Amino acid sequence: GQQVMQIPQYQHVQEGEDFTTYCNSSTTLSNIQWYKQRPGGHPVFLIQLVKSGEVKKQKRLTFQFGEAKKNSSLHITATQTTDVGTYFCAGPAAGGGNKLTFGTGTQLKVEL
Amino acid sequence: GAGVSQSPSNKVTEKGKDVELRCDPISGHTALYWYRQSLGQGLEFLIYFQGNSAPDKSGLPSDRFSAERTGGSVSTLTIQRTQQEDSAVYLCASSRWSGLRPGELFFGEGSRLTVL
Repeated sequence: GQQVMQIPQYQHVQEGEDFTTYCNSSTTLSNIQWYKQRPGGHPVFLIQLVKSGEVKKQKRLTFQFGEAKKNSSLHITATQTTDVGTYFCAGPAAGGGNKLTFGTGTQLKVEL
Repeated sequence: GAGVSQSPSNKVTEKGKDVELRCDPISGHTALYWYRQSLGQGLEFLIYFQGNSAPDKSGLPSDRFSAERTGGSVSTLTIQRTQQEDSAVYLCASSRWSGLRPGELFFGEGSRLTVL
């Protein structure tokens, strides 16, 4: 079945450093979503990317969808302590209906 | 309600007992998902409902797990003869149906299940 892997699994950064998480799917995705889960909380939607090669920005966050629609990345510029949490990508396999498979997640810790 | 509501928030049960977890989605959301999240782990897909279509049950780990959605709204996830490995947080999410692709998922706070 479809597998969605994220690297790294964990990342510790100093506040102000940049951070990137990479998402790789075993199958082509029709679209991709990103979620953030704060410690002790539930996942919260960040963004959805649909088009091949699409790039979207939200303040310090930059999201990219690969040309082959099998990978994606989330880059955070100048991390802040409020960025702490686990970041998940999620996507349905192309032609696979609306079953959303979540990636393995990247846990980000930001130290002062 | 304003958001996805799940109950109970916490459930402690003995091995072998049956449990029911309830999810009340956002009004008007026709898509409903159940996921399971073990401590420090990712989200494991369990089942997906969309309107009156047959549910996608491909993620249910065994025949001890079942779910239904009555009237296209409230959903119940039932785990029979619980095992210790069933201990996890069970998350429900709902979304609008765009007709093209999954919409933004709105998650509930989850039901934390502990099987002793």
